[in-house]
Amino acid sequence: NAGVTQTPKFRILKIGQSMTLQCTQDMNHNYMYWYRQDPGMGLKLIYYSVGAGITDKGEVPNGYNVSRSTTEDFPLRLELAAPSQTSVYFCASSYGHQMGGYHYNEQFFGPGTRLTVL
Amino acid sequence: AQTVTQSQPEMSVQEAETVTLSCTYDTSESNYYLFWYKQPPSRQMILVIRQEAYKQQNATENRFSVNFQKAAKSFSLKISDSQLGDTAMYFCAFMKPGGGADGLTFGKGTHLIIQP
Repeated sequence: NAGVTQTPKFRILKIGQSMTLQCTQDMNHNYMYWYRQDPGMGLKLIYYSVGAGITDKGEVPNGYNVSRSTTEDFPLRLELAAPSQTSVYFCASSYGHQMGGYHYNEQFFGPGTRLTVL
Repeated sequence: AQTVTQSQPEMSVQEAETVTLSCTYDTSESNYYLFWYKQPPSRQMILVIRQEAYKQQNATENRFSVNFQKAAKSFSLKISDSQLGDTAMYFCAFMKPGGGADGLTFGKGTHLIIQP
């Protein structure tokens, strides 16, 4: 199992450019997440998905879009990149129980993508 | 919404010493999960230990243990016999019940340095 993989590892964008951060997991997890980590800060949730075709906003969704057409892939799209989007981006996945309750599901994280917008 | 606070931006101890990292949180939930994650310079997020709020017993994983005080909303991490490889950022995180569909809430982290 490769776990959660992310590409690219590093990227430099110019202001106004667009790009897609790729995330793939091979653990058949239904839940997937995108977080960003700004310098000296903890991770903040951008978007999440509980299954193919279902996505929802997290704490900091502005400037981003996501799609989930398959269980394995959860790409994050940046439109019109801005310096405020300079950050490290982490994708994560877990196996979630739809019925809720006292269910613990460990989140497995990818290695991150360091993005700089100049 | 819940918040997680780590009040120690950086800590430094000698190898083999014991160190305690602090975390407090605020939530209106009665049942939830708490975690400590380690982030070494490689950036990889590594789960260190977890605690279910409905369990009174403090979690332990080898040299790592927690002191969970539900009434005080406190969740500290104790690292015994610290090693050079423990040098990393440590993040406290909160998860609501229900399978974690809406993700984790993280604190700002504590940079732990183990001196030889």
